[in-house]
Amino acid sequence: DGGITQSPKYLFRKEGQNVTLSCEQNLNHDAMYWYRQDPGQGLRLIYYSQIVNDFQKGDIAEGYSVSREKKESFPLTVTSAQKNPTAFYLCASSILENSPLHFGNGTRLTVT
Amino acid sequence: GENVEQHPSTLSVQEGDSAVIKCTYSDSASNYFPWYKQELGKGPQLIIDIRSNVGEKKDQRIAVTLNKTAKHFSLHITETQPEDSAVYFCAASNNAGNMLTFGGGTRLMVKP
Repeated sequence: DGGITQSPKYLFRKEGQNVTLSCEQNLNHDAMYWYRQDPGQGLRLIYYSQIVNDFQKGDIAEGYSVSREKKESFPLTVTSAQKNPTAFYLCASSILENSPLHFGNGTRLTVT
Repeated sequence: GENVEQHPSTLSVQEGDSAVIKCTYSDSASNYFPWYKQELGKGPQLIIDIRSNVGEKKDQRIAVTLNKTAKHFSLHITETQPEDSAVYFCAASNNAGNMLTFGGGTRLMVKP
């Protein structure tokens, strides 16, 4: 089955530590995205990438970093500079811009 | 940039009744309007989408209507079932390379 795999499902970290969230897709999609979801709120775009070795900041990129070394992988690092990192993180992919997004099942990050 | 408002934030209906969720958008250049369903602990899944060259689209019990003049679009679910209970998100984007902007979500509860 084709799809997007996010791991781990739950992640716990101490404040001040960087943490990397994994996202892998086997849909052969060119575009990949990271969204943050907070309780009772919509999805906010962190970063997106349209091709390998290229990515752009979304609306809330501060405190996050990404890489796109392979078409199928788009890891997100939550750095210690992110002031409020506890959230549900969703990775998505699409064939191209302005086309339906396919989401993974998310990683819930808790920082204490 | 685009701003998408979604109402209501919660909606409770009796099984078999219809449910309507409404969204408004601000950017008149927006031309793609998807709806996503998110079940607890999972990523959102696309359930229906509409482009600005049509005013209505149906898929079994689900329909979406679009009023470009008023800049609003709605999701209609008929003959609701308990498995329709979830959080629903609307979104909007345009062809100018802008990413999807999501509404704040509607928690739909279908009472058996």
